[in-house]
Amino acid sequence: DSGVTQTPKHLITATGQRVTLRCSPRSGDLSVYWYQQSLDQGLQFLIQYYNGEERAKGNILERFSAQQFPDLHSELNLSSLELGDSALYFCASSPGTGMNTEAFFGQGTRLTVV
Amino acid sequence: DAKTTQPNSMESNEEEPVHLPCNHSTISGTDYIHWYRQLPSQGPEYVIHGLTSNVNNRMASLAIAEDRKSSTLILHRATLRDAAVYYCILRGFNPTYKYIFGTGTRLKVLA
Repeated sequence: DSGVTQTPKHLITATGQRVTLRCSPRSGDLSVYWYQQSLDQGLQFLIQYYNGEERAKGNILERFSAQQFPDLHSELNLSSLELGDSALYFCASSPGTGMNTEAFFGQGTRLTVV
Repeated sequence: DAKTTQPNSMESNEEEPVHLPCNHSTISGTDYIHWYRQLPSQGPEYVIHGLTSNVNNRMASLAIAEDRKSSTLILHRATLRDAAVYYCILRGFNPTYKYIFGTGTRLKVLA
């Protein structure tokens, strides 16, 4: 158990809909990262937050947005969903942003768009 | 941007050592080398990281070349549970490659 909790574990929704994925980081971790992993694809970095502020952005679509709340949990919002958005979405947390820190990953949310 | 190159796949026999290579010829002096692995249907898991010196922990050893342009993750005795995709990652100041994962090496362990 990494200490990072993601909910829900599975989500099935229709095209055009909007969903919210939730991530609770390890206790005390200030950084949260979001990744997308499509079937048989690598992990694509989406976005990083540190203590409530956006720190780094990857190839995140404009239809996607995220935020980190004062209690440090984070949410990833996906809207106008397309079939191609079906993927595993992982959240990770780390104590800070330092290069010498390790990240801890959750078990992911499997999103299926039908 | 600094990036890493790994073989797509490797095989090992159970109970034998495994050496997983990673090339990072454009590494900068302040980049840390991190290794993660992803078991089937799970999130990535931290394995080890280092800067210049070789590192050991309960999971593995990390051997870093003197010029830091390559590194090797060493699993001392592979088990079936070590079958996973292993990712070598550079982590540095540049936010565009914070925890950027490549395609990794898929390790198959033969019984």
